[in-house]
Amino acid sequence: GAVVSQHPSWVICKSGTSVKIECRSLDFQATTMFWYRQFPKQSLMLMATSNEGSKATYEQGVEKDKFLINHASLTLSTLTVTSAHPEDSSFYICSAMGTPYNEQFFGPGTRLTVL
Amino acid sequence: DQQVKQNSPSLSVQEGRISILNCDYTNSMFDYFLWYKKYPAEGPTFLISISSIKDKNEDGRFTVFLNKSAKHLSLHIVPSQPGDSAVYFCAATEYGNKLVFGAGTILRVKS
Repeated sequence: GAVVSQHPSWVICKSGTSVKIECRSLDFQATTMFWYRQFPKQSLMLMATSNEGSKATYEQGVEKDKFLINHASLTLSTLTVTSAHPEDSSFYICSAMGTPYNEQFFGPGTRLTVL
Repeated sequence: DQQVKQNSPSLSVQEGRISILNCDYTNSMFDYFLWYKKYPAEGPTFLISISSIKDKNEDGRFTVFLNKSAKHLSLHIVPSQPGDSAVYFCAATEYGNKLVFGAGTILRVKS
C-alpha cells in the first residue's frame, strides 16, 4: 500500500501559539486529503476534506478559522491550529487518497498537547 | 448522534480461538463498510471491507459479515494470534469517501 507521513509526530506548545502539522503522501499523488481528530477512547472524527488546489470543506462544528488547512500540492497538506488552547489537545490524523488508489491511507498521527 | 457504534470497548481472547468484533450502524444509506486495525501511536491500517450488496467477505483469517436488516456487521478473526492485539475500528461510508468511524474495540489476544 501507499505511505503517508506526518510531521511532527508529537508537539507540546503553550496556549495561544499556533502549531502546523504536515501530511505528506510519499509515493503517490494525493488528490484528496482528510484530517481527523481523535480524543482518548473515542472514534476518529473527520474535521475536513481538502482537494488539491481548492479550499477545504469543513465538517459541521469545526471552526475553519481555527483549523487552517492548505493543500497546495499533490503530496502535501498542512493543518495549522491557530491560537491553540488546552482543549485542542488531541491526536490529529491525516489520510490521503489519489491515483492509482481508491482508498484512504492514513498517516501515523500527531499528538498535540497544549499547556 | 453516533452513526457507527462499537459497543464493546475491549475484548480478550485466547490465542488460537476466534475473535468476534461487532459494529452497529444507524444510517441505512451507508453502502460500504471497512475495518481498520490500529496500533498505539500509529495511524489506522486498512484490514478488510464489504460492500452493501454482499453479506460476507473473506480474506485469509479475516471474515466480515454484514446483516443489512439488522444494520450490523462483525469481524471474525480465526485463529487469533498475539500479533492481532490492537484497536479495531469499524467505519462506514455513504456513496463516497467520507468515512464515519466507530469508537474502536481493543482486542487482546493472550498466548
